[in-house]
Amino acid sequence: AQTVTQSQPEMSVQEAETVTLSCTYDTSESDYYLFWYKQPPSRQMILVIRQEAYKQQNATENRFSVNFQKAAKSFSLKISDSQLGDAAMYFCACAYDSNYQLIWGAGTKLIIKP
Amino acid sequence: EAQVTQNPRYLITVTGKKLTVTCSQNMNHEYMSWYRQDPGLGLRQIYYSMNVEVTDKGDVPEGYKVSRKEKRNFPLILESPSPNQTSLYFCASSLIRGNQETQYFGPGTRLLVL
Repeated sequence: AQTVTQSQPEMSVQEAETVTLSCTYDTSESDYYLFWYKQPPSRQMILVIRQEAYKQQNATENRFSVNFQKAAKSFSLKISDSQLGDAAMYFCACAYDSNYQLIWGAGTKLIIKP
Repeated sequence: EAQVTQNPRYLITVTGKKLTVTCSQNMNHEYMSWYRQDPGLGLRQIYYSMNVEVTDKGDVPEGYKVSRKEKRNFPLILESPSPNQTSLYFCASSLIRGNQETQYFGPGTRLLVL
């Protein structure tokens, strides 16, 4: 079965510092896509960053970057210069070519300390 | 503005009283999907639709129905709601396929079944 695991239910970081959220996945597929979504208190789901598995270069979006380790099946999210507005639930998700579903992790709650 | 809308945003109902949650997108997306979100479980897919008149079961379809008569609309129907369907529901859409393409999420519908 294809699974996505986020082992950190909650993380906290001081404002302006850097934090890394972990995500691992399990698949035998060769072609897939990885996503990080943010869910602020408003509960809306917002795409943070996306990575194609066939690309070796790690995706980056402003203060957000990923460390994609394909062999280890790891896809961590690094948030630099953390801001109060980054406080949210963060979900890791994986999508496969063989079906039309996203497989989701359980989420990590990120707390930003002022 | 490109968006996915859901109505109602909040709903309290009683066991057995049929209800419909509407979902509409204005981006001409082919793929639409319904998820439910429960604490500690992340998002689980209920149903998805590849195009008009094409729908398929996701991971947790029991107790739900959907229809896709028009491209822009994808209502979620609970024929006889039960308390275990109390949850936060999200509708999402994407241009071609639900995995490779970035999904756009609606604001969510919080349902309480008494």
